[in-house]
Amino acid sequence: GIQVEQSPPDLILQEGANSTLRCNFSDSVNNLQWFHQNPWGQLINLFYIPSGTKQNGRLSATTVATERYSLLYISSSQTTDSGVYFCAVERDNQGGKLIFGQGTELSVKP
Amino acid sequence: DTEVTQTPKHLVMGMTNKKSLKCEQHMGHRAMYWYKQKAKKPPELMFVYSYEKLSINESVPSRFSPECPNSSLLNLHLHALQPEDSALYLCASSPLGETQYFGPGTRLLVL
Repeated sequence: GIQVEQSPPDLILQEGANSTLRCNFSDSVNNLQWFHQNPWGQLINLFYIPSGTKQNGRLSATTVATERYSLLYISSSQTTDSGVYFCAVERDNQGGKLIFGQGTELSVKP
Repeated sequence: DTEVTQTPKHLVMGMTNKKSLKCEQHMGHRAMYWYKQKAKKPPELMFVYSYEKLSINESVPSRFSPECPNSSLLNLHLHALQPEDSALYLCASSPLGETQYFGPGTRLLVL
């Protein structure tokens, strides 16, 4: 099956710093999503980005489908950005079967 | 409205109990999903319903029984669970092949 690798596994930042999270995947995909899981367990959609670049406030994401990776950029980080960031992908014709990476656990210190 | 609701938020059950988890969405999505998430791990797909029909079962033990009574509702019936089934159970919905939206989850503890 498809492999999804996220890096780094853990990241500690000072408030106001910028960061880049990476997601590598081993096969072509027709769906790639970035999620933020808050400390209460809620998975929050950040981006649906099988290819291209999107921005939403302090967050932006880029997927280079031909090179099988996606990047999530967080600028001017805030303590509320803390939590686990997951990348999840779906291959063609998989009926909605999302495969998640292991996540990046981000801690933003005041 | 991009909300998926789940009840209950927390559930404690014994190994001989029967209980049900409920998930609801009113976004008109025709695909609904159950995921299981253990602590410090990513969510893992259990079941997919497409147009109210079970389309994917990821070899889940029969003590978990999904049901989709209508296009807005998804249930997960639990019977004779084991302590290792304790986890966060997440429901999601989506238009087919598009963004999946997750509910807040049910934290299940099996004693």
